Amino acid sequence: EVQLVQSGAEVKKPGESLRISCKGSGYSFTAFWITWVRQMPGKGLEWLGRIDPSDSYTDYSPSFQGHVIISADNSLNTAYLQLNSLKASDTAIYYCARLAGTYPHSWFDPWGQGTLVSVSS
Amino acid sequence: DIQMTQSPSSLSASVGDRVTITCRASQTISSNLNWYQRKPGKPPKVLIYAASSLQSGVPSRFSGSGSGTDFTLTISSLHPEDFATYYCQQSYTTPWTFGQGTKVEI
Repeated sequence: EVQLVQSGAEVKKPGESLRISCKGSGYSFTAFWITWVRQMPGKGLEWLGRIDPSDSYTDYSPSFQGHVIISADNSLNTAYLQLNSLKASDTAIYYCARLAGTYPHSWFDPWGQGTLVSVSS
Repeated sequence: DIQMTQSPSSLSASVGDRVTITCRASQTISSNLNWYQRKPGKPPKVLIYAASSLQSGVPSRFSGSGSGTDFTLTISSLHPEDFATYYCQQSYTTPWTFGQGTKVEI
C-alpha cells in the first residue's frame, strides 16, 4: 500500500522554526514528486511547493518562497517541510502528498494524514 | 496565479439528490483540473483527475466534465457518506491553486 506518514503535532512560539517530516512507503520514493499543502483554520487549501526527490529540485509558490524550505532524504524515504520565523498566521494543518500522473495532468494522491502546527506566545 | 472559483460555497441536499458543483478558472487550463473530497479530520482524497477521469476505487456516482475554464463535479445520487467539502484544483501551471471549497450539508 502506498502511504505517506507525517510527524506529529507541534506547538511553537512566534519566531521559532520547525521541520515536519513525511515518510513514504510502498513505492519507489525517488520516482514521484512530493508536494506540500496547508489549510489554515476555517480556510481552503493552499499549495506551498514541491520537490523531486530524485535530484532535490524544488519549486515553491511565490506566496511562500523564502518562508518555507522543502527537502528530502532519499536514504530515509522522507521529505521535509521547514518553516522559519513562525508567526501566529502559520497555525494550520500541513499536508504532504505524492504527485501522481504526468505533468501537467498531475494530481495529489495519496496524502499524508496531516500535521497540526499551532503557533502561539 | 490562476484563480479558481467554486460555486456554490455551500449547499444543502438530501440523500438521493443529484448534486452539481461548478469550478471556474480565471484563464484556460485545458483539462488540467482535479476534484478532491475532504471530510473532517481526514486528509483530502482525489475523486476525479484530468477533469473527467474517475480515480480508482471512487464510486461511479461521481463524475466530472468540462475543459478550458468551466468544470463541473456531479454526484448522481447523494449517499450519506458524501456529505463533505469538495475542492477543485488546477494542475495546468504552478503555483497550483485550489477553489475555496463547496460544503455539502444535509
